[in-house]
Amino acid sequence: DGGITQSPKYLFRKEGQNVTLSCEQNLNHDAMYWYRQDPGQGLRLIYYSQIVNDFQKGDIAEGYSVSREKKESFPLTVTSAQKNPTAFYLCASSIGYGDEAFFGQGTRLTVV
Amino acid sequence: GQNIDQPTEMTATEGAIVQINCTYQTSGFNGLFWYQQHAGEAPTFLSYNVLDGLEEKGRFSSFLSRSKGYSYLLLKELQMKDSASYLCAVRDTYSGAGSYQLTFGKGTKLSVIP
Repeated sequence: DGGITQSPKYLFRKEGQNVTLSCEQNLNHDAMYWYRQDPGQGLRLIYYSQIVNDFQKGDIAEGYSVSREKKESFPLTVTSAQKNPTAFYLCASSIGYGDEAFFGQGTRLTVV
Repeated sequence: GQNIDQPTEMTATEGAIVQINCTYQTSGFNGLFWYQQHAGEAPTFLSYNVLDGLEEKGRFSSFLSRSKGYSYLLLKELQMKDSASYLCAVRDTYSGAGSYQLTFGKGTKLSVIP
């Protein structure tokens, strides 16, 4: 079955540690995205990639980093520079940038 | 940039009809999406409008008026499983880059009661 997979579903980390969230898709989509969702808030774009080996900052990129070495994979690293990292993180992909997005199941990150 | 407004919460009765509105301001409109998101889960695509008018898909319909910067999602014959957040997302052209950007509203939390 084609789809987009995020792992893990729940993640706990100590303050000051970097953590990497995984996102893999087998839909052959060119574009991939990372969003952050806080309670009562919409989806806010962290980073996006329109094509392999290229990525751009979204609206709230500070304290995050990404890579896009393979078409299928778009991992997100939450660094210690991110001041408030506890949130629900959603990865998505689409055929082209701005097309209908398919979302992964999300990773709920809690920093203690 | 974009400004997207949706009501924060709505409550409706099982079997009834509910309309969720979305208003937006943008300079290069290129389509509007509606997504459904159950608590703690991923958003799933419901509908897409780029031209004025009504798009119907089973119990769900979506309407767009580009001149008014307005869309609504209409849910008929409400079921308990329709309790979820409904996200409006507007796509517009990215000035100078020849590309699009997609901005999500904060979502409307719909509660369906017996």
